[in-house]
Amino acid sequence: DAKTTQPPSMDCAEGRAANLPCNHSTISGNEYVYWYRQIHSQGPQYIIHGLKNNETNEMASLIITEDRKSSTLILPHATLRDTAVYYCIVRMLNTGTASKLTFGTGTRLQVTL
Amino acid sequence: KAGVTQTPRYLIKTRGQQVTLSCSPISGHRSVSWYQQTPGQGLQFLFEYFSETQRNKGNFPGRFSGRQFSNSRSEMNVSTLELGDSALYLCASSPEAGYNEKLFFGSGTQLSVL
Repeated sequence: DAKTTQPPSMDCAEGRAANLPCNHSTISGNEYVYWYRQIHSQGPQYIIHGLKNNETNEMASLIITEDRKSSTLILPHATLRDTAVYYCIVRMLNTGTASKLTFGTGTRLQVTL
Repeated sequence: KAGVTQTPRYLIKTRGQQVTLSCSPISGHRSVSWYQQTPGQGLQFLFEYFSETQRNKGNFPGRFSGRQFSNSRSEMNVSTLELGDSALYLCASSPEAGYNEKLFFGSGTQLSVL
């Protein structure tokens, strides 16, 4: 699986958009970009994933650059409950095996009043 | 639908003992994977089971083992516990085995080895 690079920490004011960057310059054509987050003392929670096109769901938006070497997770209106560690993961195509995810150190997002 | 259930939530053991952790996946999910999380090493993949077969294994010693039952429930066992095995052990499930499946994690079992 391709390696990802994320800033160790970020701050965001409540109600503002939180933009979390991720670099994955060695991504290959069949690898997806996934985002998970982990709130303290809980298991990671799936947020969103994408291959080439931008994606949006009820939690967030994912913007992938045209060359696919980087992406940005956007939380449009951050709340205090969004304070968590956010992991960007690039997943290798491996038919028959679901889940050998490689988590990096992630970005610790602190949402403040 | 109930989420992924892990038991027990907390566990304290002493060095040399063994421990068994349990994971019940979301109903209908057939793939179960296990992860170890420590402050120093982050989240590391242990192994994955699908239809009672181990499909993938991480880089952990043979003291770490697991199994999956016909109802998809899974257990992992750690024998001859060491202090370094203190960690949060997370279980995740997904419906099928495939590269684009999202994982659903349980809240984990916090194991402390004294």
